Amino acid sequence: DVKVTQSSRYLVKRTGEKVFLECVQDMDHENMFWYRQDPGLGLRLIYFSYDVKMKEKGDIPEGYSVSREKKERFSLILESASTNQTSMYLCASSLFAPWDRDDNEQFFGPGTRLTVL
Amino acid sequence: GQNIDQPTEMTATEGAIVQINCTYQTSGFNGLFWYQQHAGEAPTFLSYNVLDGLEEKGRFSSFLSRSKGYSYLLLKELQMKDSASYLCAVRAVPLTGGGNKLTFGTGTQLKVEL
Repeated sequence: DVKVTQSSRYLVKRTGEKVFLECVQDMDHENMFWYRQDPGLGLRLIYFSYDVKMKEKGDIPEGYSVSREKKERFSLILESASTNQTSMYLCASSLFAPWDRDDNEQFFGPGTRLTVL
Repeated sequence: GQNIDQPTEMTATEGAIVQINCTYQTSGFNGLFWYQQHAGEAPTFLSYNVLDGLEEKGRFSSFLSRSKGYSYLLLKELQMKDSASYLCAVRAVPLTGGGNKLTFGTGTQLKVEL
């Protein structure tokens, strides 16, 4: 089974703190993604990476950065946490497959619920 | 950009059939996914369509019409455990870098009642 794990299920931080969210996958997937999920707004892509040291901005990258030093690990960094970053953060991974194949579904981790006070 | 619309909530009866619709506008369409998400859990993959027509997987089927920008997820013989949020997601042809980037709708919360 594909397994995507995230470092914490729940996290409470204070405004201005630097926050690291870690994600590890064990299926040798090329693609990794960070989303946040908020009521009424759905899943929104923050950043994604399609290879080690490669990253691309998603739809809402402001206030976030990422790091992918190893293929299996993708980290999301909040340089200075703010209250509007309180959310559920979901990591996902997938194969980098040809576009017309269906075996590149995204597999999600259990999520980290971050509260910034 | 991409725009995806799906109903916010639906209610259905155990044993019945329910259809959850999704409409989208996108440039460079390259596939549509349906995910299921139970409360407090991660989304899990249900189905994928890239060509027009119906894909069937047991009690779940998904339909796609690319010309209409329309998809639906059909759930048959509803069970209480089908109460969940159903997410429609569209993949576009990437302009740069890697592929397989999805844009998600806000999800349809399905409640199955006795």
